[in-house]
Amino acid sequence: EIVLTQSPATLSLSPGERATLSCRASQSVSIALAWYQHKPGQAPRLLIYDASNRATGIPARFSGSGSGTDFTLTISSLEPEDFAVYYCQQRNSWPPLTFGPGTKVDIK
Amino acid sequence: QVQLVESGGGVVQTGGSLRLSCAASGFTFSTYGMHWVRLTPGKGLEWVAYIHHDGSKKHYADSVEGRFTISRDNSKNTLFLQMNSLAADDTAMYYCAKPSVPTHGDFVNWGQGTLVTVSS
Repeated sequence: EIVLTQSPATLSLSPGERATLSCRASQSVSIALAWYQHKPGQAPRLLIYDASNRATGIPARFSGSGSGTDFTLTISSLEPEDFAVYYCQQRNSWPPLTFGPGTKVDIK
Repeated sequence: QVQLVESGGGVVQTGGSLRLSCAASGFTFSTYGMHWVRLTPGKGLEWVAYIHHDGSKKHYADSVEGRFTISRDNSKNTLFLQMNSLAADDTAMYYCAKPSVPTHGDFVNWGQGTLVTVSS
């Protein structure tokens, strides 16, 4: 099973600041990594697929990078609606499909 | 547009059973594999199960193998999750999810979720 770790667990930032979230895989997942955003009371939303491709309708302030075992999600300038929990997920080797434990981005 | 609507959640005692349903519309359901994913406050997101478009392949997380069964009725555009021998750890919001490509392990579209609470 491929284990994903995310850092930091919590990121406290102000609107307008840049957010940098990390995801590390226990073994290479090539570029088969996605990022999801989850807000309370809502379904999770796909942001990035295949490491760096924005899903349909996702604003350009969200970007993903990385390959192999190290990945980054960057939010260039936080909007009020971006405060949420972010999960990475790999599909390179499954079953099982695995998620990271999440990074909570909250308001400083 | 793609719509996924889950139902069947509720409160059940430890050791009990529930059957979740997911009604799909807005795409050709019979050509897509489908997933169940759950969200718990303590553990975050966890993939639960996958079924091939025609039901010929099924995969499960170790945590539910042997207790949960995924199935589908393509004539009714509906996905199911039969959950038996429920334990407190199964308490979660359960989502059905559609992948980007019929056999992919990603989750492009999600339902609104159905809440399962297992109590002793």
